[in-house]
Amino acid sequence: DIVMTQTPLSLSVTPGQPASISCKSSQSLLHSDGKTYLYWYLQKPGQSPQLLIYEVSNRFSGVPDRFSGSGSGTDFTLKISRVEAEDVGVYYCMQSIQLTWTFGQGTKVEIK
Amino acid sequence: EVQLVESGGGLVQPGGSLRLSCAASGFTVSSNYMSWVRQAPGKGLEWVSVIYSGGSTYYADSVKGRFTISRHNSKNTLYLQMNSLRAEDTAVYYCARGQWWGQGTLVTVSS
Repeated sequence: DIVMTQTPLSLSVTPGQPASISCKSSQSLLHSDGKTYLYWYLQKPGQSPQLLIYEVSNRFSGVPDRFSGSGSGTDFTLKISRVEAEDVGVYYCMQSIQLTWTFGQGTKVEIK
Repeated sequence: EVQLVESGGGLVQPGGSLRLSCAASGFTVSSNYMSWVRQAPGKGLEWVSVIYSGGSTYYADSVKGRFTISRHNSKNTLYLQMNSLRAEDTAVYYCARGQWWGQGTLVTVSS
């Protein structure tokens, strides 16, 4: 199985400041179809996860443009340009290139 | 409006069985993949299983041979049959497809 490793595991950010989360996969997530099957989810406290980014860098409908995803192959990054109070929660990366999918451990983001 | 509603969770003894259901509305469960994801208390997300539109199914090693994913097309419902349950299967179980997630149903395995 592909192992997804996120760093850091927790982040405390001042509102208005940027934040960055890294996700590294143990194998390349680039498929022969040209797509890279890397997703980012946010689970706000007490809620179900919500999709933020699909296929590395595509923001899902309604996701603020302060969220951006980048990377390729095995190294990926989620950036929040200016953190807001509503961004608190746990962020997960996930791969679905293999028949068995895997999530990263999660990165807990809190506001200072 | 798209909605996924899980049901069937509860308290079960180790070694017991449970069947979870996920009723979908606003889209067709058979038109693409559907998955189950679980979250143990205070822990992260763990992918459990997926069923594709063609019927192919795949499982995490932790549940392979014990869990079975299926769907009923006319009822537009996804299922997860869970057998030989263990304490470590205790979790909130979500059905999901991409941007659509249910609210989850809690399964507690304990004597």
